[in-house]
Amino acid sequence: GAVVSQHPSWVICKSGTSVKIECRSLDFQATTMFWYRQFPKQSLMLMATSNEGSKATYEQGVEKDKFLINHASLTLSTLTVTSAHPEDSSFYICSASAGQAGGYNSPLHFGNGTRLTVT
Amino acid sequence: AQSVAQPEDQVNVAEGNPLTVKCTYSVSGNPYLFWYVQYPNRGLQFLLKYITGDNLVKGSYGFEAEFNKSQTSFHLKKPSALVSDSALYFCAVRDMRASNTGKLIFGQGTTLQVKP
Repeated sequence: GAVVSQHPSWVICKSGTSVKIECRSLDFQATTMFWYRQFPKQSLMLMATSNEGSKATYEQGVEKDKFLINHASLTLSTLTVTSAHPEDSSFYICSASAGQAGGYNSPLHFGNGTRLTVT
Repeated sequence: AQSVAQPEDQVNVAEGNPLTVKCTYSVSGNPYLFWYVQYPNRGLQFLLKYITGDNLVKGSYGFEAEFNKSQTSFHLKKPSALVSDSALYFCAVRDMRASNTGKLIFGQGTTLQVKP
């Protein structure tokens, strides 16, 4: 089945530093990847839609200069949390579709998430 | 607006008993519905989907879901629960509006607790 690999699985960083999270589709090409954020015992909040070769589309209220997304290839998208602060501590999850671009029949496949703790 | 509601924060069931996790949706047009399961500190695992066809959809790990158009529901079911089914379950609908690239809209999540 389609596998999405997310790295690192957890990271601790100091306030003011930047952290990069990678999301790879291992056995399929993903034109579109999605980045979610999840707070404890809450649902997933979509942060942005990452499109290969173009700028990401951010959801309302998400700071694009703080959460930099790059989707340079069909198998890799990265999320960089810049100048991280303790309130950025959260669980970040990426997902991708194995179907054609905009193939709504295909389920999204999720990475295992990254637990970010900013001290 | 596209939305999904899971009215129960938690469902408790004894092992071996049937389980139901409820989900209702509100969409414009035909719904593309999904169920996912999440174990602690992990991503989401796909269980099943409804796109079209039979209202009863069978998925992974013995789960199934029934699509009911008149009640706008897509409840997740399993005939006999296992302790290992204890997890957080999400119902989701694919946003089919042209400008939204098929993003998933999630319900609030329901914690399933199966007791031995």
